[in-house]
Amino acid sequence: QKEVEQNSGPLSVPEGAIASLNCTYSDRGSQSFFWYRQYSGKSPELIMSIYSNGDKEDGRFTAQLNKASQYVSLLIRDSQPSDSATYLCAVNPDYKLSFGAGTTVTVRA
Amino acid sequence: DVKVTQSSRYLVKRTGEKVFLECVQDMDHENMFWYRQDPGLGLRLIYFSYDVKMKEKGDIPEGYSVSREKKERFSLILESASTNQTSMYLCASSSNGQGAPEQYFGPGTRLTVT
Repeated sequence: QKEVEQNSGPLSVPEGAIASLNCTYSDRGSQSFFWYRQYSGKSPELIMSIYSNGDKEDGRFTAQLNKASQYVSLLIRDSQPSDSATYLCAVNPDYKLSFGAGTTVTVRA
Repeated sequence: DVKVTQSSRYLVKRTGEKVFLECVQDMDHENMFWYRQDPGLGLRLIYFSYDVKMKEKGDIPEGYSVSREKKERFSLILESASTNQTSMYLCASSSNGQGAPEQYFGPGTRLTVT
């Protein structure tokens, strides 16, 4: 079993819609959870971090964490063409990070 | 803002050459990491360092070595480059501060070995 699994893409959403990205992890000791955005040919950019159960909102992004279910998600509201990218879920069981394979999102105008 | 820089954005080397990739961070971070990223394989950790002169193997250290002589600088060395080391190489750094050790990435080096 992979340490971090993300829902397979690609995910295509119309402009203005909500994009929903899911991630599950295997290490129950994980304490910190991150979402990175990676544009094609570029390096990953940290967009959200979440450490406790519940929701965390930052602009159009909402991260949701459920440690009991070992599940973390990212919602992108009012999706824009500039949100078209690959989104990586990352979890830290220690000071290293375990990354998911990523979900590619395409926002169509 | 955290800034992580890498010595080259694009690099072309020949098989058998010794290759140095350098990474510098300006946030006084304790931890530094080298990853490679390949289509379909995601991000894979090559080596990391949690202190000057300290290093630990990641998931795919074979064919690579690292050097960390100063806190801000972490070098990845390909002792004898091979075509299967053609990849995007990403450096990252993080602090040991309280809370989450977010990793911040450099712009990446796209290495082609011919």
